[in-house]
Formats: sequence, structure tokens, C-alpha cells
Amino acid sequence: SAVISQKPSRDICQRGTSLTIQCQVDSQVTMMFWYRQQPGQSLTLIATANQGSEATYESGFVIDKFPISRPNLTFSTLTVSNMSPEDSSIYLCSGSAANTGELFFGEGSRLTVL
Amino acid sequence: AQSVTQLDSHVSVSEGTPVLLRCNYSSSYSPSLFWYVQHPNKGLQLLLKYTSAATLVKGINGFEAEFKKSETSFHLTKPSAHMSDAAEYFCVVSPKTSYDKVIFGPGTSLSVIP
Repeated sequence: SAVISQKPSRDICQRGTSLTIQCQVDSQVTMMFWYRQQPGQSLTLIATANQGSEATYESGFVIDKFPISRPNLTFSTLTVSNMSPEDSSIYLCSGSAANTGELFFGEGSRLTVL
Repeated sequence: AQSVTQLDSHVSVSEGTPVLLRCNYSSSYSPSLFWYVQHPNKGLQLLLKYTSAATLVKGINGFEAEFKKSETSFHLTKPSAHMSDAAEYFCVVSPKTSYDKVIFGPGTSLSVIP
């Protein structure tokens, strides 16, 4: 199974600043995704990270707020831009297995915006 | 369209007693179904998965689930709860060919009473 490493694991940020989260997969997965998990909530898909091209965003999420890069198969970044307290969440990177659709998750990045 | 319903937002059991976490799904496709567990301050870990083989699926830590197409259910069970089972559990549905359409249920919080 794939191991997914995320950093930072947590951060406290000031309103109006931006934070970039990095995600590294230790094997080649088919697809990579970014999820948000607000306190006490389930997971919501932000976008699918596409290698070498623009990410595919879900309804309610836009590139200006959540720019995503995926320069190669095993690495992706998510930036949370111009943060506000409403952006305080856990952000999770995941990758899917080619044949079964099983999702592997990083441990998440816990973001608090003051 | 797909959807996932977890009928109980919170379940509390005594240590050593059986666990039942209920999940019903709706899917236009022949789905893959998963259960994930999230311990406090951790990422998500796969418990078990149904892709198209045996309808009774055994997972890690003594958990199992039965896929019942007629009832559109995929309930998670364990014969005897352990304190370490206290966590959040997510039922997940995915079409086999479009892994960017994974849908997470709202989650069930399991408490285990000593």
C-alpha cells in the first residue's frame, strides 16, 4: 500500500497570509486528491490534482483560493491563500490505487487561522 | 448520482460487546464500497473494502462488513469491542471507473465504555 507524507502536520497562521501544504507519495498512484475536513465534519473533496496541468476543482472551490500543483506523479502541493478563520480545517492529501479505487491518506495538516 | 447515509452519528457500546455501524448507499453504478477509520488527530486508515468479489468482507482488527445489494447496505460489525476501537468511522462509495467521484458518508463516532 502507498504511504503518503504531508507537511506541515499543523500550523497556526495569521489572517490574510497563505500556507502551502506538501504531499509526497512513496509509489506511483493513479490519481491524487485534496480534501478538507472541517471540525466535526466529514471529508469534502477540494480538487483532483492533475500531473502537469491545472487541477480539477469541485463546486465551491476555486483556483485563486486553493492553487494546486502536481509537477510529477508522486508530489503535489495545496496552497490556502488569503486565509481567514473559516479556513481553519484539516487538509488531507490522498492518492488512489490503480485497480481498486482504494484511497490512501496522509495524516493531514491541521490549520488554525487566527 | 451517488450518496452515502450513515444512520447513526454516534454509537456507544460497552467493551466486549458487539459493534454495529450502519451504512446505506445509493449509486447509479456498480460501486466499490469502503470503510475507513480515523482516530483522534490521525489520518484515515482503510478498514476493509468491497470491490466485486465475496459479499462478506473481512478487514483489519476483527471488523467485517456485508454487502447487501437488495438492501443497498454495507454495515460494519465487530463481535467484541475494544477500547482502541473508539474513533470516527466513514463509509465510502466509489464507482469502479471514476475514482474522482468518491463520496464520503457523514461519519459515525464510536465510543467504547470500559
